[in-house]
Amino acid sequence: KAGVTQTPRYLIKTRGQQVTLSCSPISGHRSVSWYQQTPGQGLQFLFEYFSETQRNKGNFPGRFSGRQFSNSRSEMNVSTLELGDSALYLCASSPKQGGSTEAFFGQGTRLTVV
Amino acid sequence: DQQVKQNSPSLSVQEGRISILNCDYTNSMFDYFLWYKKYPAEGPTFLISISSIKDKNEDGRFTVFLNKSAKHLSLHIVPSQPGDSAVYFCAASNTGNQFYFGTGTSLTVIP
Repeated sequence: KAGVTQTPRYLIKTRGQQVTLSCSPISGHRSVSWYQQTPGQGLQFLFEYFSETQRNKGNFPGRFSGRQFSNSRSEMNVSTLELGDSALYLCASSPKQGGSTEAFFGQGTRLTVV
Repeated sequence: DQQVKQNSPSLSVQEGRISILNCDYTNSMFDYFLWYKKYPAEGPTFLISISSIKDKNEDGRFTVFLNKSAKHLSLHIVPSQPGDSAVYFCAASNTGNQFYFGTGTSLTVIP
């Protein structure tokens, strides 16, 4: 069974640009969550999608947005990039929304904003 | 506001000894707790979890203990092996798929 796939693995962007990251969850998983990891901050929750609907949202500005497609694949978009957006962006998939279940993570996309 | 805290950024342990990683949380509504292991340039890998209705869960060399009254959980690794060297994150959730993560503890197992 293939794991969570994130593309691209590495990305360099300039301040003010926008970026789109992609995540393909494990087959059969309908919940996709996004996290930002920065040094010293751990993993910060961005948002969660289930059946194409955003179910939860973390404390991030509106420049961060996402969507989920009917095949459960998800994209995350960051507009008007700032230097502080440089981070590892992780996507996680779960088989169901709610309840007690672990999330399976992809390898992440390392975004560098210059 | 950090709802899940790992106060030890790093830990060094001799091979064969016990590693104890600690985690504290503030939200009494959390009902599911997990530990993840992360190597550099890779995503976190699920290790072990525990529901709030239990106080202990064991899986091979890994045991997680939950003390709800103290809002504290710990991960015990016995015996520790060099391959266990990684960053360990604890996480908590409350009936959803929004996980709150600690800042991680870097474990080094010395051969």
